Amino acid sequence: AQRVTQPEKLLSVFKGAPVELKCNYSYSGSPELFWYVQYSRQRLQLLLRHISRESIKGFTADLNKGETSFHLKKPFAQEEDSAMYYCALSHDSNYQLIWGAGTKLIIKP
Amino acid sequence: KAGVTQTPRYLIKTRGQQVTLSCSPISGHRSVSWYQQTPGQGLQFLFEYFSETQRNKGNFPGRFSGRQFSNSRSEMNVSTLELGDSALYLCASTRGGSNTGELFFGEGSRLTVL
Repeated sequence: AQRVTQPEKLLSVFKGAPVELKCNYSYSGSPELFWYVQYSRQRLQLLLRHISRESIKGFTADLNKGETSFHLKKPFAQEEDSAMYYCALSHDSNYQLIWGAGTKLIIKP
Repeated sequence: KAGVTQTPRYLIKTRGQQVTLSCSPISGHRSVSWYQQTPGQGLQFLFEYFSETQRNKGNFPGRFSGRQFSNSRSEMNVSTLELGDSALYLCASTRGGSNTGELFFGEGSRLTVL
């Protein structure tokens, strides 16, 4: 069955430290993967998608099909990165996204 | 252009009552999805509508229902409310022709059941 796993419910790092939010997926075909972010009191919004291969707000994520992972990384965390992060998977046979449970990221000053 | 609009933003109900939440998608978007968000369960998919037809449904009891109108606006209804229905209900829209994965979310309707 298709599944997205975010093993950490909470991740706390100091400002300036590297950040890695883990996402693993289970899918038999060719997945399309996304990271969504929800800042405090703001709407849930798309952060980045793997097909774009771009860096948004200093974050990058590489799809590793061998490890079935799509970890979100940032070399130097900023306080404004504190938010809830969701990893999601899309597949063509269904029009809904499959969501991970989310990771709350706290950046300590 | 205007974003996804959800009404009401906050509401309080008591057990056994029913509630209707409304969602107006971005102009031109024909797909509307509904999610329940709670601290313990994260984002749970309720259902998705496209051109007035329900295309997908999550694993929620029949007390949860929805519909979509010809102008793409959508409503969801929860009948016989239970304490566990207290949550933030999010609506998201997308053009809907294919699953691009980019959903545009509203601010949500926060339901408290007493």
